[in-house]
Amino acid sequence: AQSVAQPEDQVNVAEGNPLTVKCTYSVSGNPYLFWYVQYPNRGLQFLLKYITGDNLVKGSYGFEAEFNKSQTSFHLKKPSALVSDSALYFCAVRDGGNTPLVFGKGTRLSVIA
Amino acid sequence: DAMVIQNPRYQVTQFGKPVTLSCSQTLNHNVMYWYQQKSSQAPKLLFHYYDKDFNNEADTPDNFQSRRPNTSFCFLDIRSPGLGDAAMYLCATSRGTGSSYEQYFGPGTRLTVT
Repeated sequence: AQSVAQPEDQVNVAEGNPLTVKCTYSVSGNPYLFWYVQYPNRGLQFLLKYITGDNLVKGSYGFEAEFNKSQTSFHLKKPSALVSDSALYFCAVRDGGNTPLVFGKGTRLSVIA
Repeated sequence: DAMVIQNPRYQVTQFGKPVTLSCSQTLNHNVMYWYQQKSSQAPKLLFHYYDKDFNNEADTPDNFQSRRPNTSFCFLDIRSPGLGDAAMYLCATSRGTGSSYEQYFGPGTRLTVT
């Protein structure tokens, strides 16, 4: 069965600094990896995904993520954080079969001005 | 703009009183999902429809039912809400069930059970 770990409940970063939100995964086959963001009292919003190909994936709002097969990681990154990036971030994985999307428990990002 | 719409955004119901939450989409996607999310936890999949084919997750309580009368609409029925059913309910859609398809979420309905 597939699983996702987000080791940090909370990440704090100063505005303008680079940010990283960590994610590691476990699947039996090829991973299909996603990042979603959730603002307070809102639904999840798709940021980016890795299916195959280039290990560096670019997404919405200046976010990118790097797929690392040997470390089974898919960390979310942004070169310069904005206060408006403050939200709850979910990593999710599917294994290529007809299995549901499995979410991590989420990481709360707080960007301080 | 194409989107996923959920009504109402906030719903209060009494313990044991049936309640229905609704979801509509203008994306013309084949798949619709219902998730339950408690207190900033990860969303938990309850069930999904591929067209009219209903797929129930093994651990979804019998108290939860769903209907999809057409491509655009999907309903979540909670037959006898308990205090433990208070949560945010998220509807999502995707073009297909394949693993490469991302899901598009509605804003959610926050259910309170009194």
